[in-house]
Amino acid sequence: GQQVMQIPQYQHVQEGEDFTTYCNSSTTLSNIQWYKQRPGGHPVFLIQLVKSGEVKKQKRLTFQFGEAKKNSSLHITATQTTDVGTYFCAGTLGNTDKLIFGTGTRLQVFP
Amino acid sequence: NAGVTQTPKFRILKIGQSMTLQCAQDMNHNYMYWYRQDPGMGLKLIYYSVGAGITDKGEVPNGYNVSRSTTEDFPLRLELAAPSQTSVYFCASSYITITDTQYFGPGTRLTVL
Repeated sequence: GQQVMQIPQYQHVQEGEDFTTYCNSSTTLSNIQWYKQRPGGHPVFLIQLVKSGEVKKQKRLTFQFGEAKKNSSLHITATQTTDVGTYFCAGTLGNTDKLIFGTGTRLQVFP
Repeated sequence: NAGVTQTPKFRILKIGQSMTLQCAQDMNHNYMYWYRQDPGMGLKLIYYSVGAGITDKGEVPNGYNVSRSTTEDFPLRLELAAPSQTSVYFCASSYITITDTQYFGPGTRLTVL
């Protein structure tokens, strides 16, 4: 079954509002990646986090890896219409060689 | 570099038909993957390969077969298509390990009627 869950499933925001999606795993992750998929498009890599408690920023996007390496978050400050899409986290479980994708959070931004 | 390419872009199959989805990458990546994405859902790993001649099952391999005779190509074979295989299929590749960035192809939208 699905071992990497994301909440919320959907989020509608007004342009300029902030947005956060959360990624939770039942088991420890060796690393976590984040991808963005525009409507009708394919997933595009955003960032990878490896260290416990790691925080990385890309302009208005802030990514965080939990201390226990079981959860992660993506926060977007002051959303823009170009942020529309589905955001997926993907984690490598322990010592396995498979990347498990989360369920995704679909973001809609209204102008 | 073209990156990861997939053909065809769209296909409609009748129940019981077979087809091969093509995937190629020109980045000399070792790892290649096949995912399926059902409407409004996440990605599920079908098969993956860590190098030419080596393949392994992912989360949902039933009804599919793969081969990896070269580093560049990783075709996915559907035998006896079923409506449950209606989905968008993405091929991806990464350089050396599973933890490297995965580069995705544009996808193949398959409908089985």
